[in-house]
Amino acid sequence: DIQMTQSPSTLSASLGDRVTITCRASQSISSWLAWYQQKPGKAPKLLIYMASSLESGVPSRFSGSGSGTEFTLTISSLQPDDFATYYCQQYNSYWTFGQGTKVEIK
Amino acid sequence: QLQLQESGPGLVKPSETLSLTCTVSGGSISSSTYYWGWIRQPPGKGLEWIGSMYYSGSTYYNPSLKSRLTISVDTSKNQFSLKLTSVTAADTAVYYCARQLFPYYFDYWGQGTLVTVSS
Repeated sequence: DIQMTQSPSTLSASLGDRVTITCRASQSISSWLAWYQQKPGKAPKLLIYMASSLESGVPSRFSGSGSGTEFTLTISSLQPDDFATYYCQQYNSYWTFGQGTKVEIK
Repeated sequence: QLQLQESGPGLVKPSETLSLTCTVSGGSISSSTYYWGWIRQPPGKGLEWIGSMYYSGSTYYNPSLKSRLTISVDTSKNQFSLKLTSVTAADTAVYYCARQLFPYYFDYWGQGTLVTVSS
């Protein structure tokens, strides 16, 4: 099984901050990685696929990078709507998710 | 606009079978481009992929659930279904159905339905 580990588990930030979340895979997954945003009581929403491709309709302040085993999701300037939990997901071998990173208000 | 809606009992007794259906509207479940998947989320925890299927019946199951799991499709009703046998409290979760651009990511999700396993 491919394990996905996100860091940090919780991140406290202020409006306008640049935020970076890291996702590490237990083995190389090339660029087969997606990022999702989930708000309380709601389904996850796809943000990024293929490690760095922005899903249609997602604000350009979100960006993804990385390949192999280390990936990052960056929010360039944190907005009120961005306080949520973020998950990475690999699709190199079956499909597994990271444990999530909660972005909260500082 | 594509929509997915989960339905089924919200309470299941231990050792019994959990059955859920996902109804797809605004698009065809028989599309050649997509698979259809189930993902669950225990209360306060992360996401776990359960399984995925193609309209022809081809399936992929999470190895940890495979012995208890069946996913099937009814193309005439534009629905797909999940059956999980011999449930325990560990199966208590919000269950989501989703469209999957195979073999990649999940781009459309249902709202989710909470299933509690309790006597």
